[in-house]
Amino acid sequence: EVHLVESGGALVQPGESLRLSCAASGFVFDTFWMNWVRQTPGRGLEWVANINPSGREIFYGDSVKGRVTISRDNGKNSLYLHMKALTVHDTGVYYCARTTADNIWGTYRYVDSWGQGTLVTVSS
Amino acid sequence: DIQMTQSPSDLSASIGDRVTMNCQTSQSVDEKLNWYQQKPGKAPRVLIYGVSTLQSGVPSRFSGGGSGTDFTLTISNLQPEDVASYFCQQTYSPPESFGGGTKVDIK
Repeated sequence: EVHLVESGGALVQPGESLRLSCAASGFVFDTFWMNWVRQTPGRGLEWVANINPSGREIFYGDSVKGRVTISRDNGKNSLYLHMKALTVHDTGVYYCARTTADNIWGTYRYVDSWGQGTLVTVSS
Repeated sequence: DIQMTQSPSDLSASIGDRVTMNCQTSQSVDEKLNWYQQKPGKAPRVLIYGVSTLQSGVPSRFSGGGSGTDFTLTISNLQPEDVASYFCQQTYSPPESFGGGTKVDIK
């Protein structure tokens, strides 16, 4: 069974940094794209970033580009999100999520597994 | 970037009703369009991918359709357990954006 367990969420002040972690188990981690998706009060579900199995292909959402870094350690079956210069708009629940595809060519990609989420609160 | 617009933002219907919600994309997404259900306090779960393919284990009262830039999610026989928010997502090109969601409740 796929398990994704996030950690690292905290109450921080504006301008501070934070690193989120996601421990994955129950599947071959280094064969899947992985994502960070957040749920914020103002913006609903927001895709933050994703990373390919090798870690060499990375994409970011516009609202976080330049302030966050997604990375993975396939030896530790772990996904990370380093965030800096946090603002109140970054407040929300951050989910680690796995992307799968309907076939080996990846014709249709979708998120099939989610963690329980970790809460990030940015407030002075 | 591809913009996703969902409507309505809120939908209230009776048990047994057929309900339809919409998702419009700012450009063609080549059928790379998914639907997710999210219940309060829970992570989302995928219902439909590739516009119309039902994920394993999802009740057949859920169906997806559409093409080009206009897509729909239909619940054919609304049940109490369908009270949730529904989100569309495109995976045609990054950022793999979500729509703003449609919140469904029982009248």
